[in-house]
Amino acid sequence: ETGVTQTPRHLVMGMTNKKSLKCEQHLGHNAMYWYKQSAKKPLELMFVYSLEERVENNSVPSRFSPECPNSSHLFLHLHTLQPEDSALYLCASSPHRDRGFFNQPQHFGDGTRLSIL
Amino acid sequence: AQKVTQAQTEISVVEKEDVTLDCVYETRDTTYYLFWYKQPPSGELVFLIRRNSFDEQNEISGRYSWNFQKSTSSFNFTITASQVVDSAVYFCALSEAHRAGGYQKVTFGTGTKLQVIP
Repeated sequence: ETGVTQTPRHLVMGMTNKKSLKCEQHLGHNAMYWYKQSAKKPLELMFVYSLEERVENNSVPSRFSPECPNSSHLFLHLHTLQPEDSALYLCASSPHRDRGFFNQPQHFGDGTRLSIL
Repeated sequence: AQKVTQAQTEISVVEKEDVTLDCVYETRDTTYYLFWYKQPPSGELVFLIRRNSFDEQNEISGRYSWNFQKSTSSFNFTITASQVVDSAVYFCALSEAHRAGGYQKVTFGTGTKLQVIP
């Protein structure tokens, strides 16, 4: 059991559909992350929420809309996606650290494999 | 800006061979963390090891060993007597030591796909 659960595991959608990816963590962490993993590219950080506040948005198109209703849940709302958005979307969490060093790794979910038709 | 380079895209070895995965990083920080993750076909990134920039001791964990050399900015990973279950994509990553806002900024390499042939 990973401690970070993502649903669905696989999603196929048309370009005009609206869907949401869900991430839930049971580790007591207060920072959560969305990454995009495309073939032969480094993991791309999309969004970061720290203490339920969005602290990073790495030039992600507005067709991706994150939501963090509480420290345990993170959503990624999708609408009007493009074929190039097909990828593995990974959620991660880590402890929030106001002071001290980040000496713990991020914990990842299994990801959602997204295919855009 | 931070950067992680994993020059080996794919490696194939025969079972029981040793294999080394290379990782070279760039950072201006004096304090930072390095990680290795394993990504099996299921998709989840599994944490393998963390190393902080002040600790250059090499580490061995069973068949896994890591060689951190600050002088060459490298953090290489060796699997001894490889097994089929080692087949996965391996990612090297670099993290800031701390950041205002309390969250962690991690830079990943492109990964090395390891295939262990029976």
